[in-house]
Amino acid sequence: QSALTQPASVSGSPGQSITISCTGSSSDVGGYNLVSWYQQYPGKVPKLMISEDNKRPSGVSYRFSGSKSGNTASLTISGLQAEDEADYYCCSYVRSIKSVVFGGGTKLTVL
Amino acid sequence: EVQLVESGGGLVQPGGSLRLSCAASGFTFSSHAIHWVRQAPGKGLQYVSAINDNGQSTYYVDSVKGRFTISRDNSKNTVFLQMGSLRPEDTAIYHCVKDGGSWDFDYWGLGTLVTVSS
Repeated sequence: QSALTQPASVSGSPGQSITISCTGSSSDVGGYNLVSWYQQYPGKVPKLMISEDNKRPSGVSYRFSGSKSGNTASLTISGLQAEDEADYYCCSYVRSIKSVVFGGGTKLTVL
Repeated sequence: EVQLVESGGGLVQPGGSLRLSCAASGFTFSSHAIHWVRQAPGKGLQYVSAINDNGQSTYYVDSVKGRFTISRDNSKNTVFLQMGSLRPEDTAIYHCVKDGGSWDFDYWGLGTLVTVSS
């Protein structure tokens, strides 16, 4: 049950766009449309930002979008704002365990 | 308003046991799977366990299999996580999480801290 691979950190300046990748395999990320993304501020509870690869729940800013190519899912944040500075986690269904695993998390710094 | 409130955490010695509870409200409890996700201090999220809507199907991550048992009481809108043979590496905040319907997690409890230490 290996975790999905995310970069440890990414950074960007206000107004820019950044992308966080989440790499798995054909048995998880690439095999199903079941990747979700979570935002977590320090000391706070994770918040669902994207579900089913690219669906944005009600109330989540349009600046957040999800996509996938092969076995790599991506979270893109456009028009970066200071309030976007947080940790981001991907999560995917995994066929072999019939459950999910999380990525290791990515710390986003807004310069 | 959906609410998930965990309780039962605390300090326990290695080898000891704890029973976590998750009291849910604000949604049709018996129609949703419930999950436990933990986060060790300064670390990432780890999926731990799940139980389906009627309690007939459960899942455990390999590291807790045989030591943890998840159950639910739909008459009381409550999920339980019985934790045994606890190890220092089980130290974490344990969050109760509502299933969003597509292997996603749309509502999270604040969590309860479990500390395993002598």
